[in-house]
Amino acid sequence: NAGVMQNPRHLVRRRGQEARLRCSPMKGHSHVYWYRQLPEEGLKFMVYLQKENIIDESGMPKERFSAEFPKEGPSILRIQQVVRGDSAAYFCASSPITGGDTEAFFGQGTRLTVV
Amino acid sequence: DAKTTQPNSMESNEEEPVHLPCNHSTISGTDYIHWYRQLPSQGPEYVIHGLTSNVNNRMASLAIAEDRKSSTLILHRATLRDAAVYYCILRPYGGSNYKLTFGKGTLLTVNP
Repeated sequence: NAGVMQNPRHLVRRRGQEARLRCSPMKGHSHVYWYRQLPEEGLKFMVYLQKENIIDESGMPKERFSAEFPKEGPSILRIQQVVRGDSAAYFCASSPITGGDTEAFFGQGTRLTVV
Repeated sequence: DAKTTQPNSMESNEEEPVHLPCNHSTISGTDYIHWYRQLPSQGPEYVIHGLTSNVNNRMASLAIAEDRKSSTLILHRATLRDAAVYYCILRPYGGSNYKLTFGKGTLLTVNP
C-alpha cells in the first residue's frame, strides 16, 4: 500500500503565477487534510476535505487559495497569483476515518518557492 | 484546544534511551495524547498515541501520568535516524478532532 503521494516535491513559481499542488491519499482513505509550514514555523492546519466536500476550511486564507477533492483523482490545493509570502512547505495527510484515536498519514510535502 | 508544553531541544547519544517529556495540565478527560515526529525535510510521521494506559509499539513507548497532566515518549535505543522534531499533540474524542495542532515540538539531536 503506497503512502500519501504528493507532487511535485518542489515547485518554483514567479509572483503572480498559479500553483497547483496534488495529493493522492492512501488507498481506502476518503479524508484529506492540508497543512502549511512556513519557514521556521510550525505546521498549521489549512483545510479538511472528504470526497467532493469541503468540511472545514477555517485555516485557509480567504483569497487566492482553494482546495478540492473530486470523486475521481487526487486532491488539489490551488494558489492563484502567488506572492513571496506563499513560499512554504505544504503537506497533505489522509486517514480512513476521523476520530481522536486515529492516526493521520502524511505525504513528503511540496516545497513551494515564489521568486 | 488544550495546550501542551515541551522542551525546545534535547540531546542524546546513540544506542541510549531517550525520554521526551510533555506537559498538558489542562487536558480533558476525553483527550487522546498523540506523538508525531518530523525528520529533516520530511512530512510528519505518526509515532504513538494513548488515552490513560501506557502504550508500546515497534517505534516507542508512551508513559502517561496517573493524573494525565503529563506524558513521556520513550525511545528505547536512539539511533541517528531518530533525530527529528517530536510533537506532543492532544486530540479530543469529538468535535474538531480531525485537526492536529502542532506546537514547536522538541528538537532531538542524537550524537554518534
